This record gives sequence, C-alpha cells and structure tokens, in this order.
Amino acid sequence: EAGVTQFPSHSVIEKGQTVTLRCDPISGHDNLYWYRRVMGKEIKFLLHFVKESKQDESGMPNNRFLAERTGGTYSTLKVQPAELEDSGVYFCASSRLAGVRNEQFFGPGTRLTVL
Amino acid sequence: AQSVTQPDIHITVSEGASLELRCNYSYGATPYLFWYVQSPGQGLQLLLKYFSGDTLVQGIKGFEAEFKRSQSSFNLRKPSVHWSDAAEYFCAVGPQSGYSTLTFGKGTMLLVSP
Repeated sequence: EAGVTQFPSHSVIEKGQTVTLRCDPISGHDNLYWYRRVMGKEIKFLLHFVKESKQDESGMPNNRFLAERTGGTYSTLKVQPAELEDSGVYFCASSRLAGVRNEQFFGPGTRLTVL
Repeated sequence: AQSVTQPDIHITVSEGASLELRCNYSYGATPYLFWYVQSPGQGLQLLLKYFSGDTLVQGIKGFEAEFKRSQSSFNLRKPSVHWSDAAEYFCAVGPQSGYSTLTFGKGTMLLVSP
C-alpha cells in the first residue's frame, strides 16, 4: 500500500508569488489533514477534510491560504500571495476514520521557502 | 489552551546507551498521547500511543513511554540506542472525543555518537 505522497518536496518562490502544494492520501482514507511547521516552532494543525468537505479549518492562518479536495481524493493547498512568514514545512496526513484513536499517516512534507 | 513541551531541542547519546526524551503537556482533560519520529526525508511515523489502561506503553523499534498523570508527562525511553535511531522525535496530544486535531511539541533532535 502506497503511503501519503506530497509534491513538490521543495519549493522556493519569491514573496508575492503563488504556490500550490499537493497531497495524495492513502487510497480509501476519507480523512485528510494539513499541518505546518515553521522553523523552530511546533507542527501546527491547519485543516481537516472529510472526503471533500472541510470539517475543521480553524488552523488556517489567513485568507491567503486556500485548500481544496475536489472529488475527495487528492488535496491542494494554495498560498497566494506568499509572504516570508509562510516559509516552513507543510505536512499532509490521512486516516481511514476520524478521531485520534485512528492513526494519522504522514507524508514527507513539502519544504516551502519564500524569499 | 493545550500545549506540549519538549524541553530538549537536541540530545546526544552514545550508541548503546539508554535514552529518555521528555514530554510535558497542558490540557483541559486527560488527552490521548503520542510519540512520532521523523527520519530525514521521511514522514512522521507513529512510535506509540496511550489511550487508557496500563500507563507503560510499548511501541515499535524497542521504544516505550510512561504516562504519569500527576506530572502531566509522557516520557519516551529506550534502553539501548542504535545509530539508526538518530532522528527528530515529536510528542503530541489529541482530544479523547471529537475530531483528530493533534497538538505537537517542538520536537527533540536525537544525535547518536559512535
């Protein structure tokens, strides 16, 4: 069974540009999560999809971030326009069922650098 | 607000020596507790978890952790460290009900010396 994959692994962009991160969850996992780790800080929750619906987006920092999961399969996270403070590692995770008793499987992350 | 504290940013341990990584949490109620490990280029991998019952839990790769309610701690231990254990370790907590919003600590980077 393939794990959670994320693309790209690294992205370097200039302030003001747009970047789109992609996450492919494990097949059959209805729950998809985005997290972010800013350098030196904790990994922080951004949002949670159940299939194509946003269950919880309380961690999204501002309206420059847009997450989608059309069709309930892969998800994209767009940052537009990017700011310096958006630099960090963006992790995606998926689980078959919701609730923390169900293990979340994490991807390797996308390292975003905004110059 | 809930928080997780991992007081050690870096720890260096000699190969074969024992290891203890500290984790303290602040939470409104007893949470579910987790330890994850991230090796270079890899995603976070679940090492072990505590939901209820026996406060000493066993995980993969020879790791164990002990939940101490009185100290709000969930320290990770391994009796003999291998060079392949060099990685970053994250403690996390999550609610016993509702959806899976995990709260992580800042991580502890483990370096293993020969």
